[in-house]
Amino acid sequence: QVQLKESGPGLVQPSQTLSLTCTVSGFSLTSYSVHWVRQHSGKSLEWMGRMWSDGDTSYNSGFTSRLSISRDTSKSQVFLKMNSLRTEDTGTYYCASGDNWFAYWGQGTLVTVSS
Amino acid sequence: DIQMTQSPASLSASLEEIVTITCQASQDIGNWLAWYQQKPGKSPQLLIYGATSLADGVPSRFSGNRSGTQYSLKISRLQVEDIGSYYCQQAHSNPRTFGGGTKLELK
Repeated sequence: QVQLKESGPGLVQPSQTLSLTCTVSGFSLTSYSVHWVRQHSGKSLEWMGRMWSDGDTSYNSGFTSRLSISRDTSKSQVFLKMNSLRTEDTGTYYCASGDNWFAYWGQGTLVTVSS
Repeated sequence: DIQMTQSPASLSASLEEIVTITCQASQDIGNWLAWYQQKPGKSPQLLIYGATSLADGVPSRFSGNRSGTQYSLKISRLQVEDIGSYYCQQAHSNPRTFGGGTKLELK
């Protein structure tokens, strides 16, 4: 069955770079898009960006040039890198699959930005 | 960006009661709308897609409707397992945007 799982450091210092990995199974990255979605504690969801099945990427302009999404199809992994972290980047980061809506989600990984 | 205005922000209802949550899109998004349920400490789960289609495994007491740029999620008979937060999401254009959420509690 389709599964996604996020991994990465739970704690990152301000101004540093966040690196997260989404490992998928049950489908091919060349068939479906994978998205990154963030949620601040007790708040709504925020779409960050997308890795298309053809390898193209789309980003939420709210993250300006801080965000980069890439992939390794041989490992079924999608990567998120975001630099210049601020305390307000603290939250739970999800990867999710789907082209229009997000039918499958990872469990999420909590990232705390603090010194 | 397309704004999704969701209401109410919180809702207290009794078991077996009918519950309705609405989302207003800032522009025409057609049927490009989804609803999600999120239980505490869990990931969101897709309930409704295409404004009115039920996702796999979702109970039939959930339904979605559209009237112009206003969308609604209806729970026909509230059950204990329906408690949680609900979000709408537009899939018309990038960036994908979500409503502010509705926290549903038992009265």
